[in-house]
Amino acid sequence: SQQGEEDPQALSIQEGENATMNCSYKTSINNLQWYRQNSGRGLVHLILIRSNEREKHSGRLRVTLDTSKKSSSLLITASRAADTASYFCATAVGGGNKLTFGTGTQLKVEL
Amino acid sequence: DTAVSQTPKYLVTQMGNDKSIKCEQNLGHDTMYWYKQDSKKFLKIMFSYNNKELIINETVPNRFSPKSPDKAHLNLHINSLELGDSAVYFCASSQATGGGYEQYFGPGTRLTVT
Repeated sequence: SQQGEEDPQALSIQEGENATMNCSYKTSINNLQWYRQNSGRGLVHLILIRSNEREKHSGRLRVTLDTSKKSSSLLITASRAADTASYFCATAVGGGNKLTFGTGTQLKVEL
Repeated sequence: DTAVSQTPKYLVTQMGNDKSIKCEQNLGHDTMYWYKQDSKKFLKIMFSYNNKELIINETVPNRFSPKSPDKAHLNLHINSLELGDSAVYFCASSQATGGGYEQYFGPGTRLTVT
């Protein structure tokens, strides 16, 4: 069964606005990763946050992790049209490398 | 230089045929994966190899057989193709097994079974 559920399923914003996506998961995790998928392309790794971390930044990306609520959020600030893509969270359980992906959020950034 | 490459990019074939998808990574990674992404974009792991050894084998029909001739290559052979096999198949690699490693994905192979 899916480990991650993402919310919203789809999000449409104007360029320059911030975009927030949420991910909830079911079991205890080792780490949580966010990936981006442009239409017709493979996934690209964005950021990894470990279970003992609460927040991480990378450029315009900010990821938070709340293990007590089993949830994570991805914030993209000052969005650009090039950020239009699907965003997936993925969780790793225990010491293994098996990633279980969420359902994805489809982000559209309009000019 | 493409880090993870797959061939072919598109594959259209009829039910009952046998087909293969090839994957190569030039990142020097030890671990490689096959994922299946369905029409709703749900991505699920199928197999994982670490240095040519199978370490993850999800509940996949035995018509699917991965083969890793060396740690830079992981191929996927599918026998007796069915309509439900239509999907996009992604190869990926990571530096090692164990948690905490990001995965690098190939561009995908869109398989259409008619």
